[in-house]
Amino acid sequence: DAKTTQPPSMDCAEGRAANLPCNHSTISGNEYVYWYRQIHSQGPQYIIHGLKNNETNEMASLIITEDRKSSTLILPHATLRDTAVYYCIAENRDDKIIFGKGTRLHILP
Amino acid sequence: ETGVTQTPRHLVMGMTNKKSLKCEQHLGHNAMYWYKQSAKKPLELMFVYSLEERVENNSVPSRFSPECPNSSHLFLHLHTLQPEDSALYLCASSQDIRNTIYFGEGSWLTVV
Repeated sequence: DAKTTQPPSMDCAEGRAANLPCNHSTISGNEYVYWYRQIHSQGPQYIIHGLKNNETNEMASLIITEDRKSSTLILPHATLRDTAVYYCIAENRDDKIIFGKGTRLHILP
Repeated sequence: ETGVTQTPRHLVMGMTNKKSLKCEQHLGHNAMYWYKQSAKKPLELMFVYSLEERVENNSVPSRFSPECPNSSHLFLHLHTLQPEDSALYLCASSQDIRNTIYFGEGSWLTVV
């Protein structure tokens, strides 16, 4: 798997968009970018994934740079329930998902 | 509700006990996983099963013994554990080993 780098923590005001960055400069052409989050004391939850194109679902949007070396997860209107650890993973489709330390996102009231 | 159910949610066991963690998935998936999450550490992949066959064993001590009797059920048998084995044990499943993983709520294990 390509190594990913994320900031250890971020703050975001409630109601604002939360933009979580991830660097994956060694990503290869067939490695997908996955995002999961883990709310305290719960199992991780799948959010979104993509290969080259930007993706959007009911939870978030994923913006992948043209060179695929970095991506941003966007939570358009953050709520207190979005406080969690967010994991960015570059996963080869022949490999398994390996989690790093993630970004601890604090949503501030 | 993710479709992956783990029992028990909490378990306290002595170092000489034998216990088992159970996982059941209702998603029709073919792959199942055990992860371990210790305090302030990333999730560690322990075991992977695909179509009931173990395809990965990440140097896990033999005091942890997985069992996958069918594609819907996964067990983690525990015996002679150490206090440092206290952690959150997470079960997960995916359509196959190349797809999105769905996690259960986890089993909190305390070894005393």
